[in-house]
Amino acid sequence: AQRVTQPEKLLSVFKGAPVELKCNYSYSGSPELFWYVQYSRQRLQLLLRHISRESIKGFTADLNKGETSFHLKKPFAQEEDSAMYYCALSGRSGGSNYKLTFGKGTLLTVNP
Amino acid sequence: DAGITQSPRHKVTETGTPVTLRCHQTENHRYMYWYRQDPGHGLRLIHYSYGVKDTDKGEVSDGYSVSRSKTEDFLLTLESATSSQTSVYFCAIRNREFDNSPLHFGNGTRLTVT
Repeated sequence: AQRVTQPEKLLSVFKGAPVELKCNYSYSGSPELFWYVQYSRQRLQLLLRHISRESIKGFTADLNKGETSFHLKKPFAQEEDSAMYYCALSGRSGGSNYKLTFGKGTLLTVNP
Repeated sequence: DAGITQSPRHKVTETGTPVTLRCHQTENHRYMYWYRQDPGHGLRLIHYSYGVKDTDKGEVSDGYSVSRSKTEDFLLTLESATSSQTSVYFCAIRNREFDNSPLHFGNGTRLTVT
């Protein structure tokens, strides 16, 4: 079974402060991990995937297999970062492993 | 944006009536998914499809059925709508021709069951 845990429902920071959104996962194999973002009443958009090791909109995320975590970080939060963030996990092999399991989401609010 | 269209965008229906939501894609992707989004629950998988006429259940499939007669269309049916099915429904597609391919989502259908 695959599971994703986002321990914080809400996270509030001030503009310019560092941000860390936590994500822990449970999966027996080698997972594929993603972060999605949803701005107010819009569709979910891919933000990051662990394989790419990229930085999007200043966000980064590192896969820590020892701690089974994939935390999302940004050194200096901006007001436009206010959104709902979802961590998601997928298996690699065929069939049912191609479904993505999502965490419950963290609502980030960046205050001026 | 990936070519995904959901219809209708909004629907209000009465308890006990059947409802069908449609997802249409122009990307020719093999995998299609239906999720529901609820406060406090995040996104939960209802059903998914891995090819024409090939579907499987997700974690919250009770009360829902799906059909995929063509690559481009994936239909979600609530046979007899209940108030607990009031939610926002998202369709997603995925190209598994390469590893770590992401899901691309539609704009969602807001369903209210009165």
